[in-house]
Amino acid sequence: QKEVEQNSGPLSVPEGAIASLNCTYSDRGSQSFFWYRQYSGKSPELIMFIYSNGDKEDGRFTAQLNKASQYVSLLIRDSQPSDSATYLCAVRGTSYGKLTFGQGTILTVHP
Amino acid sequence: ETGVTQTPRHLVMGMTNKKSLKCEQHLGHNAMYWYKQSAKKPLELMFVYSLEERVENNSVPSRFSPECPNSSHLFLHLHTLQPEDSALYLCASSQEILGMNTGELFFGEGSRLTVL
Repeated sequence: QKEVEQNSGPLSVPEGAIASLNCTYSDRGSQSFFWYRQYSGKSPELIMFIYSNGDKEDGRFTAQLNKASQYVSLLIRDSQPSDSATYLCAVRGTSYGKLTFGQGTILTVHP
Repeated sequence: ETGVTQTPRHLVMGMTNKKSLKCEQHLGHNAMYWYKQSAKKPLELMFVYSLEERVENNSVPSRFSPECPNSSHLFLHLHTLQPEDSALYLCASSQEILGMNTGELFFGEGSRLTVL
């Protein structure tokens, strides 16, 4: 079983729509959850983090966490072509705070 | 411009060569990492250095040898690699607080390695 699992996609949405990216994790002791964005040919950059159950909003981005279901998601409202990238879910476990990454979901926003 | 710089950006080497990847961070962080990124696979953590001491070695083959001479510099020495080692090698840094990283990693642009 993969430690952090994401649908690799590609996920294609029209401009202006809501993009929904999902992630599940296996370590019940995980405390912190992160979303990184990686443009093609570029390095990953952190866009959101969430520690508590529920929703966390930052501009057009909303992270959602459900620890009972071991599920974390990222919603992107009013999607723009510039949001087209690979989105990496990362989970911080209890071992030194090591981040474990999923394989990423490729998102394409078409005009 | 990124606060973490990696050189070289591209490297082609034969299986008998010895080469090194270099990483430098200008962010004043106290932890540095090497990750391997292969197509359609998750980022794989290879090594972690905290305050210049190696704190994690994630079952990486000995043909990869890290070196951290100070908190700003990190090297990955490569020797007798295999074609399956071809990948993007990413360096990252972070700030630790009370022995735990914050979870925010700052990545370099990566070194694309091809082993022939």
